[in-house]
Amino acid sequence: SAVISQKPSRDICQRGTSLTIQCQVDSQVTMMFWYRQQPGQSLTLIATANQGSEATYESGFVIDKFPISRPNLTFSTLTVSNMSPEDSSIYLCSVHGTTSYEQYFGPGTRLTVT
Amino acid sequence: GIQVEQSPPDLILQEGANSTLRCNFSDSVNNLQWFHQNPWGQLINLFYIPSGTKQNGRLSATTVATERYSLLYISSSQTTDSGVYFCAVAPNFGNEKLTFGTGTRLTIIP
Repeated sequence: SAVISQKPSRDICQRGTSLTIQCQVDSQVTMMFWYRQQPGQSLTLIATANQGSEATYESGFVIDKFPISRPNLTFSTLTVSNMSPEDSSIYLCSVHGTTSYEQYFGPGTRLTVT
Repeated sequence: GIQVEQSPPDLILQEGANSTLRCNFSDSVNNLQWFHQNPWGQLINLFYIPSGTKQNGRLSATTVATERYSLLYISSSQTTDSGVYFCAVAPNFGNEKLTFGTGTRLTIIP
C-alpha cells in the first residue's frame, strides 16, 4: 500500500485567484494521478504526472488552467488557476501500489470558490 | 472510452440488512477496484478484483470479466457502511488511468 498526504485539506478561495495543492507519498512512485470530483459527481482524471517530464492531460483539461509539477518521485503539486465557482470540487491525488496495479488515494483537498 | 455504470444509484437500508451493488463495464478490463467514499470524502480501498471472488469480513466481491460486471456484497449493514461506493476500471495492465463508475449512495438507518 501507500500512504498519501495532501495539503491543504480544504480551502475557500475568491474567484480569479489560484491555489496550489500538494501531494506527498511515503514511497517512490513513477506515476502520480490527479482527479477532480465535482459536487455529487464521480471522479474524473485530470492528468498523469511523471517525474522528469510534462504531465499528460485528459480531454477537457489544459495545462494553463491546471499546471502540475513533479520535482521528484514522492511529491507533486496541482495548481488550480484563475478560479471560478465551477472549480469548486474535491481534488485527489493517487498512486499505484509498488507491487500491484491497485491504486491508493490521498485524503483530498476540498476547494470552495466564492 | 470505456463506460462504467453502477446500480442502484441510491440505496436506503435498515441496519442489519444485506445489499448487493452492481458495476457494469463496456469493454474488457484488467484492473477493477471497489472503493468506499466516506462522508469526509476519503476514498477507501475495498477490493482489487479484476476477476474472481474475494471476501473481507462482511464484504465480498465477485467479478465476472467475461460478462463485464462486478458485484459488491455487504452483509449485516452497519451505519458506518454509509457513503458512496465506486467501482473503477482500467482496460490494460500498465494503463493505470482509472475510469470511475457513477457510484451507489448507500444510507444505513439505525
